[in-house]
Amino acid sequence: SQKIEQNSEALNIQEGKTATLTCNYTNYSPAYLQWYRQDPGRGPVFLLLIRENEKEKRKERLKVTFDTTLKQSLFHITASQPADSATYLCARSNQAGTALIFGKGTTLSVSS
Amino acid sequence: EAQVTQNPRYLITVTGKKLTVTCSQNMNHEYMSWYRQDPGLGLRQIYYSMNVEVTDKGDVPEGYKVSRKEKRNFPLILESPSPNQTSLYFCASSPREGIGSYGYTFGSGTRLTVV
Repeated sequence: SQKIEQNSEALNIQEGKTATLTCNYTNYSPAYLQWYRQDPGRGPVFLLLIRENEKEKRKERLKVTFDTTLKQSLFHITASQPADSATYLCARSNQAGTALIFGKGTTLSVSS
Repeated sequence: EAQVTQNPRYLITVTGKKLTVTCSQNMNHEYMSWYRQDPGLGLRQIYYSMNVEVTDKGDVPEGYKVSRKEKRNFPLILESPSPNQTSLYFCASSPREGIGSYGYTFGSGTRLTVV
């Protein structure tokens, strides 16, 4: 099966620190990995996409890396703030190219 | 504003009473999809549509129907809802070119309770 796993269900950090979230995938190597933010009861919001031939992608305080050898993507939030508290989802396309498969998410809590 | 609009936001219904959840997007996206989200199970795809009049099953299609008569609309139909369809539902859209190469735009969700 085409799995995508986010190892930590929850991550608690202090304001100002860097949060690092992990996403691992199995079987075939996806051409893209995506990251979303989801607030309770709301729809996921697209944050970043990284292609398999890109090692790193940045957007403001966000950074995503893609390691096809380890079959892993890391999502970093630098200088974290309480407003960054949310669930973060990673996603990959299925092999048929008909759907995004989502991980179950990591819930980040940033305390002040 | 580019968006996906779902209605209703909340719905409580009784077993067996047919219902429709509407979804509309204003971005001229070809691809649309329905997901349900349940605690511990994450987002699971119900149905998707690559274009007008083209729909197909996702991972959990049982008990659901969809139609795509116009590009902007993709309603989800529950002909005879059952309590195990109590869930949070999301509609999403994307440009068709290479699923995965563009981010999805999600609606705000419909929380459905079937009693």
